[in-house]
Amino acid sequence: ETGVTQSPTHLIKTRGQQVTLRCSSQSGHNTVSWYQQALGQGPQFIFQYYREEENGRGNFPPRFSGLQFPNYSSELNVNALELDDSALYLCASSPTRDSGGGETQYFGPGTRLLVL
Amino acid sequence: AQSVTQLGSHVSVSEGALVLLRCNYSSSVPPYLFWYVQYPNQGLQLLLKYTTGATLVKGINGFEAEFKKSETSFHLTKPSAHMSDAAEYFCAVRKAGTALIFGKGTTLSVSS
Repeated sequence: ETGVTQSPTHLIKTRGQQVTLRCSSQSGHNTVSWYQQALGQGPQFIFQYYREEENGRGNFPPRFSGLQFPNYSSELNVNALELDDSALYLCASSPTRDSGGGETQYFGPGTRLLVL
Repeated sequence: AQSVTQLGSHVSVSEGALVLLRCNYSSSVPPYLFWYVQYPNQGLQLLLKYTTGATLVKGINGFEAEFKKSETSFHLTKPSAHMSDAAEYFCAVRKAGTALIFGKGTTLSVSS
């Protein structure tokens, strides 16, 4: 069984640029969540996708957007990058939509983004 | 609103000693509670979770946690620390229909 994978592992961008991060969910999982983990902090929820539709969003501006594809893989897009966007971006998949609350989310290794 | 407080950003123990990582939560209704571990340059791995039922939850690698509603706590323990336990530990809370809310994490150091 393949776990959650993310690409690329590291990325360097300059302020104002745009970036796309990719995530392949674990086999059989139809829900993908994205988190931002700043240095020395816990992960913060960005948004969740369930069956190709956004299913909840955290306190992040609209320049953070996403997609989920029919195979349940997902992309996180960030426009107009700011220095504070430098962080580890984590993708997590789960077998169902988080309607119950107790479902386990399985995390990928993350993409480390540095904005200069 | 839900929140999680992890007391102590850094905990140091000797190999073989008891590990105790503290987590208190704030929630208007009984939540679901999780402990995740993060090794350097890796993603988060679930150690254990509490949903319903028995309040003492056993997880992987010898860790366990006890849900105490009266104290709004979910502290993580391990009777005997091993060098391989050195990592960052995150407590998280979630209610139905909401996202995972993480604490700021506790770095566990284990010395020989």
